[in-house]
Amino acid sequence: AQSVTQLDSQVPVFEEAPVELRCNYSSSVSVYLFWYVQYPNQGLQLLLKYLSGSTLVESINGFEAEFNKSQTSFHLRKPSVHISDTAEYFCAVRSNFGNEKLTFGTGTRLTIIP
Amino acid sequence: DTGVSQDPRHKITKRGQNVTFRCDPISEHNRLYWYRQTLGQGPEFLTYFQNEAQLEKSRLLSDRFSAERPKGSFSTLEIQRTEQGDSAMYLCASSPQGSGANVLTFGAGSRLTVL
Repeated sequence: AQSVTQLDSQVPVFEEAPVELRCNYSSSVSVYLFWYVQYPNQGLQLLLKYLSGSTLVESINGFEAEFNKSQTSFHLRKPSVHISDTAEYFCAVRSNFGNEKLTFGTGTRLTIIP
Repeated sequence: DTGVSQDPRHKITKRGQNVTFRCDPISEHNRLYWYRQTLGQGPEFLTYFQNEAQLEKSRLLSDRFSAERPKGSFSTLEIQRTEQGDSAMYLCASSPQGSGANVLTFGAGSRLTVL
């Protein structure tokens, strides 16, 4: 079984400041890792994913996440946030051995302060 | 293609009533998932289908819950004798089989309020 821990339930950040949203996972097998974003009154959208290869993955809107196997982490970062980044961010993990289930963390609410 | 559609978006019901939610996945996706999300929590897996076969069910899915996907296209999630603890957002997602199977596309959800 897999589990995901997002220690920060809320993160307030000033506009144009950098941000890091933390995600740690637990699994006895190899995993795929994901970040999903949920904007107000919208459904979950995939932000970025790590399946294999380069441990640093990027999204089209400036976010990046780095898979760290030794620390079992997949932290999400952005060097300069914008008001439009206000949303809830969910880290998720999935076994790469055929178990189709995505296991989500409890989410981090990112609030951008103008 | 308009993505994953869920209906209704909001449902208010009295305790003890039955409710049914419908999900229409992306047309070429043969995998369909149901999740439940309560306030302050991440989505929790309920069940998933590959075509019309229900392949996995969470222990969260009590005997009051039933999900079907009769023709391998749309799916329904029925909750019988609703309880206040059933109040949540019910999310549907779909994915294709194969290398793209790793990405789930979610619908906007159906919010249930049980009074």
